[in-house]
Order: sequence, then structure tokens, then C-alpha cells
Amino acid sequence: EPEVTQTPSHQVTQMGQEVILRCVPISNHLYFYWYRQILGQKVEFLVSFYNNEISEKSEIFDDQFSVERPDGSNFTLKIRSTKLEDSAMYFCASSERSGDQPQHFGDGTRLSIL
Amino acid sequence: QKEVEQNSGPLSVPEGAIASLNCTYSDRGSQSFFWYRQYSGKSPELIMFIYSNGDKEDGRFTAQLNKASQYVSLLIRDSQPSDSATYLCAVKGNNNDMRFGAGTRLTVKP
Repeated sequence: EPEVTQTPSHQVTQMGQEVILRCVPISNHLYFYWYRQILGQKVEFLVSFYNNEISEKSEIFDDQFSVERPDGSNFTLKIRSTKLEDSAMYFCASSERSGDQPQHFGDGTRLSIL
Repeated sequence: QKEVEQNSGPLSVPEGAIASLNCTYSDRGSQSFFWYRQYSGKSPELIMFIYSNGDKEDGRFTAQLNKASQYVSLLIRDSQPSDSATYLCAVKGNNNDMRFGAGTRLTVKP
């Protein structure tokens, strides 16, 4: 069964550094998403992406964050000037033809900021 | 603020019983409703989705939606110990954002 693939599974970074989290969505999916889940808290929507542009973003997704689809398969989340509170699980998801279709999640990247 | 509320639990049921999980949401414009299962340390896994009022059944799972009451529920019949997990209710409105509840932790005791 096709799946969303995320790399790395765990990223450890010094505070103030930039990180790039990578995702390969399911191949025929057109909508891509990033979520984060701070330990013990709810899954929080960050951003949705369609047709090479952001279609929706949450209040969390400020200028520190950016997304990109650099080629036909990868979808990346860049976090600049990381802070301790950025430590969380980051999940990538994708869905088929429309945003109403169910979203399928990758296994996540655990980001630890030291 | 679009809120999705769930009873955090824990909800404990004996093996073979019916587990009932509930969720309410604040955005009347919400269009799509999803239930995900999340094992500890793992990613959310899609269980059910429902778009229209009424019931939708898939195997041991039944999703129920009442838009007038802004209420969605998940029933798990013949609960198994492997069903022990946190169940996340997710709601999507007209925009391309999906909001999650905090989840209900379910324990099925053998």
C-alpha cells in the first residue's frame, strides 16, 4: 500500500540553527500538509499546499516556517532560527484530488532542539 | 477559533464490549469529519471518515454524524485489546485546514 515517507526519523539541532524536514507524499496525491504534535498535546495543523502554493496556514506557521516542493516528489518544511519550543513530532500528510479527501500521515520526524 | 472537543478519558471497556467515543466541534461550516487512531509514539492512522448526517459502518467501526448538534461519534464493536490507543477526532471546514481534538485514550481490558 502506498505510504507517505518522512526523513529523517529523528533530528537533533542546536537552538538557532535551521532545519529541513523532508517528505515524499503518496505519488498520485495532490494536496500536502504539515502538522506538529508537541509531546502530550494535540496534533496541530501548520500548513496545506496545493498546486505549488500554500492554500491555508495556521497562526503557528509564521515567518520562521516555509514549505517547498523542490521537485516532483519531495515536499519540505524549513524551520529557521529554531527555538526550544519547536521540539515536537512533525507529521507530513497527503490527500488525493481534493482537500476533503482523507489525509494519510507519514511516520513523522521527531525534532529535538537543544 | 475553531474548536474540536473530546473527552480525554481514559475510557476503559472489557474485551468484546462496545466502545463509544464522542466529539463536538464549534465550526458550523465544517464539511468533513475523520477519526484517526494513534498508538503511543506513532503517527495518526485513518480509521473512518464521514461527510453526511447519519451512520457509516466499516467492519467493527461505525461513525455517526449529527451536523445540527455539531456532534460526531465513533462506535467500536467487539472491542479488542489491540484497539487500545488514543482516538483522534478531526474536523475540516471549507478551508484546507484540519483541526484535531486532543484525543480520547481507550483501554480494552482482556
